[in-house]
Amino acid sequence: ETGVTQSPTHLIKTRGQQVTLRCSSQSGHNTVSWYQQALGQGPQFIFQYYREEENGRGNFPPRFSGLQFPNYSSELNVNALELDDSALYLCASSGGQRDIQYFGAGTRLSVL
Amino acid sequence: KQEVTQIPAALSVPEGENLVLNCSFTDSAIYNLQWFRQDPGKGLTSLLLIQSSQREQTSGRLNASLDKSSGRSTLYIAASQPGDSATYLCAVKGGNTGKLIFGQGTTLQVKP
Repeated sequence: ETGVTQSPTHLIKTRGQQVTLRCSSQSGHNTVSWYQQALGQGPQFIFQYYREEENGRGNFPPRFSGLQFPNYSSELNVNALELDDSALYLCASSGGQRDIQYFGAGTRLSVL
Repeated sequence: KQEVTQIPAALSVPEGENLVLNCSFTDSAIYNLQWFRQDPGKGLTSLLLIQSSQREQTSGRLNASLDKSSGRSTLYIAASQPGDSATYLCAVKGGNTGKLIFGQGTTLQVKP
């Protein structure tokens, strides 16, 4: 157990819909990163939030957006879903001196 | 642009063998390198983190080495067990942002 909780675990949406994924970070961690992992691939960095501000973004379009709350939990929002958005979405929290990123179990999103 | 490659993509060994997984990266200016384990459909579990100033880290039967000048890291697993069967991912962090760049992973099967 990493102490990072993601919800929901699975989600099915149709093309064009919007989705919100949630992440509760490990206690004491002020940084949350989001990754997209397509089947058979390594995770791809979407963006990171540090103390409620975006602190780096990967090569993802603006329809991928996020929030971090004062308790350091976070949301990932995806608008206008496309079939290629089907993937495992992973959240990772960090904040300790050793800089280890701790991952949640992920949300499996299927877009039909 | 940093690229991370893992070879082989898949590996099958009999129980008890010692084995080495390889990870290479194109830009030696890394902040740290982390090895993860991923079970099917699950999130990532951090195994070892090596800071850029370190040469190796050990945890139980696992030993990871880092050679920044050649852009390589290896994960050594001693006396492999069927429970070690999983996908192993390496990831490098290139700077102050939390962005991890992952390889595509090596899927390991240890046969009883």
